[in-house]
Amino acid sequence: GQNIDQPTEMTATEGAIVQINCTYQTSGFNGLFWYQQHAGEAPTFLSYNVLDGLEEKGRFSSFLSRSKGYSYLLLKELQMKDSASYLCAGSDSNYQLIWGAGTKLIIKP
Amino acid sequence: ETGVTQTPRHLVMGMTNKKSLKCEQHLGHNAMYWYKQSAKKPLELMFVYNFKEQTENNSVPSRFSPECPNSSHLFLHLHTLQPEDSALYLCASSQDEGGGGQPQHFGDGTRLSIL
Repeated sequence: GQNIDQPTEMTATEGAIVQINCTYQTSGFNGLFWYQQHAGEAPTFLSYNVLDGLEEKGRFSSFLSRSKGYSYLLLKELQMKDSASYLCAGSDSNYQLIWGAGTKLIIKP
Repeated sequence: ETGVTQTPRHLVMGMTNKKSLKCEQHLGHNAMYWYKQSAKKPLELMFVYNFKEQTENNSVPSRFSPECPNSSHLFLHLHTLQPEDSALYLCASSQDEGGGGQPQHFGDGTRLSIL
């Protein structure tokens, strides 16, 4: 079956670094997406990885290892506004997105 | 982001009512999606339309009926819903269905409560 696993909740301190992990099992693989969703708002696109390695975008970076079925989202210099849910989604052979349940990130001062 | 607009934002209805959710996208995309989001569960894909044609129906009960009159508008008609249908219903669009790397753009959703 197809499955995406990510932690339910994480807590981090303002100014620190946090890594949110995601493991995936999909029928075929056409890349992995990360989205951010603030409470009561739309999910917004953060990153897309299809090749192995690290993609950096400002304070946020995303990593992919296809051989391990593993990705992580790295958030640096955490700010209070980064408190949100982070959704991992794998694209299968039909380009359908298989979603994780999301990781709720709580930032403390 | 205001590229995808959903109305209403909140809806409370009885199990015998009929209502419709509306989604409009201003991004010039060709694919539109309906998702159901329940607390602590993954997004559930319900329907996909590509160039106004339905390409996916993920075994959704017939009490949910989608309509896509053109590439910019998508509706979800609701009839005799059950309490377990209470959830956040999200609409999304993308340039095309498939095509690796194309992100989906989401609306803020309709929070539906069934009494």
